[in-house]
Amino acid sequence: AQSVTQPDIHITVSEGASLELRCNYSYGATPYLFWYVQSPGQGLQLLLKYFSGDTLVQGIKGFEAEFKRSQSSFNLRKPSVHWSDAAEYFCAVNTDKLIFGTGTRLQVFP
Amino acid sequence: DTAVSQTPKYLVTQMGNDKSIKCEQNLGHDTMYWYKQDSKKFLKIMFSYNNKELIINETVPNRFSPKSPDKAHLNLHINSLELGDSAVYFCASSQDKGWEELFFGEGSRLTVL
Repeated sequence: AQSVTQPDIHITVSEGASLELRCNYSYGATPYLFWYVQSPGQGLQLLLKYFSGDTLVQGIKGFEAEFKRSQSSFNLRKPSVHWSDAAEYFCAVNTDKLIFGTGTRLQVFP
Repeated sequence: DTAVSQTPKYLVTQMGNDKSIKCEQNLGHDTMYWYKQDSKKFLKIMFSYNNKELIINETVPNRFSPKSPDKAHLNLHINSLELGDSAVYFCASSQDKGWEELFFGEGSRLTVL
């Protein structure tokens, strides 16, 4: 069965620092991959998605993610974090339904 | 002009009661979902409807009963509430069966005392 693993429960970075959030998936074929962000008290918003083609995908708010088939990974990156990026980040895989990872909570210090 | 709206946003009730959460989307989507987010932020799909037809029904107690009167609405009724039902319930919608993107409501926080 498909699954998604986010190894980091909680990450703290300083404002302006670079960020990488890890995501690994388990699925036999190439899945549809997503990153969603959840701000406190809000629903989830799509940051970016990968279906096929270029393995480096650009999203909103300056985020990007790279699909690496050999590592079954889809890590999210941002070169310079802003305080407003503090939120919960979810990686997800869609085969016949959308399955979420357990989330990574990002804290940003000034 | 909210795309996916849920009511109520907060719900506090006693064990054993019955409660409903309503969801409406104005995006013209064909598919709607209910997700449950527990206290550890884990999101799990509960149900999905496509054009008013149930297409996903995960292992959910039968105290939970979704109802879709039309493709713009998906309500969740919960009978005989238990402490473990306390969670945030998210409604979402998508075009087709969600291969592209899900649009989420802001959630309904249910607290069972």
